[in-house]
Amino acid sequence: GAVVSQHPSWVICKSGTSVKIECRSLDFQATTMFWYRQFPKQSLMLMATSNEGSKATYEQGVEKDKFLINHASLTLSTLTVTSAHPEDSSFYICSEGRETEAFFGQGTRLTVV
Amino acid sequence: GQNIDQPTEMTATEGAIVQINCTYQTSGFNGLFWYQQHAGEAPTFLSYNVLDGLEEKGRFSSFLSRSKGYSYLLLKELQMKDSASYLCAVRDTGGFKTIFGAGTRLFVKA
Repeated sequence: GAVVSQHPSWVICKSGTSVKIECRSLDFQATTMFWYRQFPKQSLMLMATSNEGSKATYEQGVEKDKFLINHASLTLSTLTVTSAHPEDSSFYICSEGRETEAFFGQGTRLTVV
Repeated sequence: GQNIDQPTEMTATEGAIVQINCTYQTSGFNGLFWYQQHAGEAPTFLSYNVLDGLEEKGRFSSFLSRSKGYSYLLLKELQMKDSASYLCAVRDTGGFKTIFGAGTRLFVKA
């Protein structure tokens, strides 16, 4: 069964609104989780590293004020896309980090209209 | 900088063997992963190599040469369901941060 639960699996929102995506680790206390974005026919681009109890670490070019990450517990990290615009439409995926493999959530297909 | 290269597309025949290559140049190295991803779905883990050599798991094998910055994924007895994108990913040192290559789209034909 799944070890990382991500939801919603898809969401459609109006331009200018905010969307929250949740990522839960089901069987592991994940002090670190990762958020990726994937555009059609492209690979996963790391957006940020979510650290439990501290600020997230963002990759170069990712706006931290637009993509808010909260990792308040060892089992839950959230990504909030604020003031979403059509160009933010993408597939967002979270993963947890373990020693020899990484488990991914199911992904969230965000469409901003 | 970080650079992971793999072919964009490959085509192979059902029942055959295919090898997908990956070369990498990264500032740190703490393991190399291969993932399979079907369109619209999240990646699923296939293999992990941290030491040089070949790791075999059923129809899938993965090879690593750290000195050459090179890995390959070998798929045997290809099935139609193997048509997917295959992602090569390198984990950086000092944590679990993982950088992905652009992926190789494999088409398996009858």
